[in-house]
Amino acid sequence: TQLLEQSPQFLSIQEGENLTVYCNSSSVFSSLQWYRQEPGEGPVLLVTVVTGGEVKKLKRLTFQFGDARKDSSLHITAAQPGDTGLYLCAPNQAGTALIFGKGTTLSVSS
Amino acid sequence: NAGVTQTPKFQVLKTGQSMTLQCAQDMNHNSMYWYRQDPGMGLRLIYYSASEGTTDKGEVPNGYNVSRLNKREFSLRLESAAPSQTSVYFCASLEMEFYNEQFFGPGTRLTVL
Repeated sequence: TQLLEQSPQFLSIQEGENLTVYCNSSSVFSSLQWYRQEPGEGPVLLVTVVTGGEVKKLKRLTFQFGDARKDSSLHITAAQPGDTGLYLCAPNQAGTALIFGKGTTLSVSS
Repeated sequence: NAGVTQTPKFQVLKTGQSMTLQCAQDMNHNSMYWYRQDPGMGLRLIYYSASEGTTDKGEVPNGYNVSRLNKREFSLRLESAAPSQTSVYFCASLEMEFYNEQFFGPGTRLTVL
């Protein structure tokens, strides 16, 4: 059984601040996904990272996959109220069902 | 395309009652999943179906049964509901051609009294 941890669990910041959330595991993964879930909705895929050390940018969001493919981070620059939501990481291992971390709940106030 | 649809959106049951949550996808995906989401617990996999005709247990299968009726539909049944099954239930289907992206339905909010 793989251990998957997301931190911090909760984050409350002001509009314009920067933040980083983390997803860590003791296992090596073939790829990793980040999803965002808004209140009352299902999760929606933001990005998939595949290569160790890979960095992907999605507007103000920067995603990084660790060199050893055991961890990942999500950095948001100049957060906006629209970024509010639950951020979930979901590592993939070949042949297994997708698992999810417990998530980071982000609240951005104006 | 409607994507993944779930019915009902809300449901209140009394302890011991039974009900079936319905899920359908129109994206021709082979794999489908049922999760429950509780505060502080993230998404926990109940059952999944890798292809039509197959189902497998996930992390928290006790108290639930599933049926993969055809490629489009995957239902979740609570035979005798318990207060511990109060949760938000999400169905998802998996696109495996490119990025293994899961597409989620809007969820069913279930309360068991």
